[in-house]
Order: sequence, then C-alpha cells, then structure tokens
Amino acid sequence: AQTVTQSQPEMSVQEAETVTLSCTYDTSESDYYLFWYKQPPSRQMILVIRQEAYKQQNATENRFSVNFQKAAKSFSLKISDSQLGDAAMYFCAYSLRSNDYKLSFGAGTTVTVRA
Amino acid sequence: NAGVTQTPKFQVLKTGQSMTLQCAQDMNHEYMSWYRQDPGMGLRLIHYSVGAGITDQGEVPNGYNVSRSTTEDFPLRLLSAAPSQTSVYFCASSYSSGTGVKAFFGQGTRLTVV
Repeated sequence: AQTVTQSQPEMSVQEAETVTLSCTYDTSESDYYLFWYKQPPSRQMILVIRQEAYKQQNATENRFSVNFQKAAKSFSLKISDSQLGDAAMYFCAYSLRSNDYKLSFGAGTTVTVRA
Repeated sequence: NAGVTQTPKFQVLKTGQSMTLQCAQDMNHEYMSWYRQDPGMGLRLIHYSVGAGITDQGEVPNGYNVSRSTTEDFPLRLLSAAPSQTSVYFCASSYSSGTGVKAFFGQGTRLTVV
C-alpha cells in the first residue's frame, strides 16, 4: 500500500510572502501521479497542481509550483505571493498510472494567510 | 453543467439506522468513488466503480455498500450506522485523458451518528 505523509499540520504565511508545504510518499512503483488539492472552508476539493512521475520537469500553475524529488520521494508545494484566498487545507495525493482513479491522500496541512 | 452532486449536505443519524448518500454526475465519467474525511487522516477510499455494474472495495469498506446501475449514479449505503461512521463523505467522478486522470469532487456530506 502507498502512504502519503504531510508532516506539517499547520503553516502560517504573511500576505505576499512565500510558503512551502512538504509531502513525502512511500511507493515501490515507478509510474505514478502526484497531486496537490486545496480544500477551502466550503469543503470543495480543488485540484491545484499535478505531476507525472516520469517527467523530470517540475509542474507550475501560476503562483503554485512543486519541487519533485523522485529519488527522495518528496513532493513539496510552493505558494508564491500568497493571497488571502489561498487560506485553506492542502492535501497531497498519489495515484498509480495503472489505476489512476484511486487516490491516496495525506492528512493535510492547514494554511492561514495573515493580512 | 452541475458536475458532481451529493445529497444531503448534512445528516444526523441514530446508531443502528440505515441511510443512503446520493451521488450523481452529469459528465459521463467512467470512474466514480466514495471517500471519507476524518480529522488528521485525510481522505480515505471507501468504494469505487470503473463503470456501470462494476464496483470494488477501497481502503475502508466495512459497514458500507455501493451499487452502480447507471453511469450517472453511485449511491453509498450505510447498513447500520455506528458512531465511528461520523465523518464527511465525498463522492468523486473521474475520467482518464491522455495525460492521466482528472477527478471532480462533490461538495461533501457531513454525517453525524449519535
């Protein structure tokens, strides 16, 4: 079974500053996907960014970028120029390419943004 | 386009009662899944379906049943509710594109069992 670990239950960042969320995962597979999901107070799960394991280039989506270290099984999320609307719980998730509809989630990191 | 619709949004049950959480999607997606979210544990997969008539167990299936008679609907049944089933439940529908799966989540059902 794959496990996803988020070691930071809570993170706080000043508006316009940068915050980095950590995620590590355990797998014996080589072909998989990694995701970051955002869950605001509305409870809606929103996909922030996705990384394919066979791609060495780190994914970016506007102010969100990842640092994917396959050998270290590490997948951190950097939020740049933080905005009040970034306040939410962030989940790291993993799926195998062969059955990519089955997601394994970490416990989540709550991000608060200070004005 | 409604996406993934879950009903109800909130529910309180007494121990031993049964109920069905409804999930419907209008995107013609093959894959549908149920997750539960508990504090400090993230989302855990309960059951999933890869198409009409096909279902399988996820990580935490005990106490839950599912069926998939149509592409659109994937209800989750609690047979005899227990306090341990107090949780927030999410339904998701997914499809595979050339670059991998894309998942869409409903807004969740907060269930309390007393």
